[in-house]
Amino acid sequence: SQKIEQNSEALNIQEGKTATLTCNYTNYSPAYLQWYRQDPGRGPVFLLLIRENEKEKRKERLKVTFDTTLKQSLFHITASQPADSATYLCALTSSSNTGKLIFGQGTTLQVKP
Amino acid sequence: DADVTQTPRNRITKTGKRIMLECSQTKGHDRMYWYRQDPGLGLRLIYYSFDVKDINKGEISDGYSVSRQAQAKFSLSLESAIPNQTALYFCATSDWTGKGDTQYFGPGTRLTVL
Repeated sequence: SQKIEQNSEALNIQEGKTATLTCNYTNYSPAYLQWYRQDPGRGPVFLLLIRENEKEKRKERLKVTFDTTLKQSLFHITASQPADSATYLCALTSSSNTGKLIFGQGTTLQVKP
Repeated sequence: DADVTQTPRNRITKTGKRIMLECSQTKGHDRMYWYRQDPGLGLRLIYYSFDVKDINKGEISDGYSVSRQAQAKFSLSLESAIPNQTALYFCATSDWTGKGDTQYFGPGTRLTVL
């Protein structure tokens, strides 16, 4: 069966360090992979999109990698700040599902000052 | 004003009641979606609509129905609410560009069924 997995355990890091979150998938052929940020009680907000033929994408302090051989995406936040504390969701668009997004369950990041 | 709005923001109801959640958008997008979110389960797709005349079931449509009244409006109904429909409900929109389908979410409706 198709599955998207993110680490359900919260990630706790110190301010200034790099946070790395993982998204693994099985039985998918994703055309695109996206990362969203969600704050408590609010809707997810789009951060980055990476295509299947791209290895890496950057935006300011954010970096996403996409390895279709390992079926994995890594999401990095460099020089992390307490304001980066949130839940981060990965989402896939399969080439066969005409634009629907399938979401992972999210990983909560806590950045301590 | 917010691009995607949802009403109500919070609702407490009783088992067996009919409930309607409404979503409006000013982004001009054709595609709209309804999700529910439960702790530990992430976002799950209930229904989606790629234009006014197109309605499709998602992975958990049982017990729900939708209406796409206009490009800007997409409503979700629970015909006879039950306690396990207690969840956070999100509406989202997207505009297919052929380069990925980034979605824009509303603020959510917290529904409690007693």
